[in-house]
Amino acid sequence: GEDVEQSLFLSVREGDSSVINCTYTDSSSTYLYWYKQEPGAGLQLLTYIFSNMDMKQDQRLTVLLNKKDKHLSLRIADTQTGDSAIYFCAESIFKGANNLFFGTGTRLTVIP
Amino acid sequence: NAGVTQTPKFQVLKTGQSMTLQCAQDMNHEYMSWYRQDPGMGLRLIHYSVGAGITDQGEVPNGYNVSRSTTEDFPLRLLSAAPSQTSVYFCASSYFGDEKLFFGSGTQLSVL
Repeated sequence: GEDVEQSLFLSVREGDSSVINCTYTDSSSTYLYWYKQEPGAGLQLLTYIFSNMDMKQDQRLTVLLNKKDKHLSLRIADTQTGDSAIYFCAESIFKGANNLFFGTGTRLTVIP
Repeated sequence: NAGVTQTPKFQVLKTGQSMTLQCAQDMNHEYMSWYRQDPGMGLRLIHYSVGAGITDQGEVPNGYNVSRSTTEDFPLRLLSAAPSQTSVYFCASSYFGDEKLFFGSGTQLSVL
């Protein structure tokens, strides 16, 4: 089946940029997603990118996709303490968010 | 709009007991799904439904049953709980084919 890998932990200082990385194995992935999970809560969609795109920017968030290397990254500019959470990448081979395959999640800690 | 509502938030079971995790959504979403979240493993899809009367298996369906008698509700049944089913369970829903998946706040289940 699909395999989506992430590093487990990342610490950054407040105001710095954070880069969270993800690799996936299924070359037929159509949509790639980033979800955020705050403590005790469900996941919330942050952003997504279609496989025919290289980059997508949304305010402080920049998503980069390298299809050749099957590598996805999420950059958070000017990281704030409120960004501390677990970030999951996920992929789908079909249009839409149905039946997503999630990565292991990266716990981002922002140091004041 | 309540979104996706899961009950209970916490549950402790003994091995062999049965129980039903409840999930309801008020957004008229066709698609509903159940995921389990385990440390270091991300979220894995258990079962999903694309509409009332239609259910299918995900990545890890063994030990779980589902039904979808209405658009709003998608309960998850554990017929004979095992310690390996200790996990956090998330229900999620979306319009079919839409990019955004809405998550409930989760049920933390411990099986002793």
